[in-house]
Amino acid sequence: GESVGLHLPTLSVQEGDNSIINCAYSNSASDYFIWYKQESGKGPQFIIDIRSNMDKRQGQRVTVLLNKTVKHLSLQIAATQPGDSAVYFCAENAGGTSYGKLTFGQGTILTVHP
Amino acid sequence: DTAVSQTPKYLVTQMGNDKSIKCEQNLGHDTMYWYKQDSKKFLKIMFSYNNKELIINETVPNRFSPKSPDKAHLNLHINSLELGDSAVYFCASSQTHLGTGELFFGEGSRLTVL
Repeated sequence: GESVGLHLPTLSVQEGDNSIINCAYSNSASDYFIWYKQESGKGPQFIIDIRSNMDKRQGQRVTVLLNKTVKHLSLQIAATQPGDSAVYFCAENAGGTSYGKLTFGQGTILTVHP
Repeated sequence: DTAVSQTPKYLVTQMGNDKSIKCEQNLGHDTMYWYKQDSKKFLKIMFSYNNKELIINETVPNRFSPKSPDKAHLNLHINSLELGDSAVYFCASSQTHLGTGELFFGEGSRLTVL
């Protein structure tokens, strides 16, 4: 499969379970933190973002948590479905005059078993 | 209708050749990007254009030359292709360059240099 040899962090869950994907970021000055989902053979797709002045933001079946003290970001997916299987990337928005420049993390492979 | 479309989807060529990848977005966005994804799935920004003006150039070799004839199009021309240029190249767009980091990605163009 596509993931062979990639050596990315992996998370395997059963359908219906909750999933938590973690990310450590590096730039304390980042203004926005974003999660993207990339399915096999497709481009990254925006899931949810959170501004640096927030700790938590909820979307449909997803919640993003931001801990600025330890520079940690997490994505929680409720009632995970097989269609959630993908590579998940966190990204930082540098802000300032570089709002359009995203710095991506390494990615986590999520596999959902029926 | 595809929001961000890039052509070709696959490109196989010999070292030393010159090739181009084209990108078009029909979202009415002002800002377009080129990102490179390597074999380890690492995504890195190469260029960004806002309303046809270059705003981000991430120390990419000058063999890579982007061109934006209008704000709906951003093409990438690569001269003297090298083995290390093999990657998936993603075009993306956003409403402005001052946003949160929500980018709309194309499906990618997989370049293989032999």
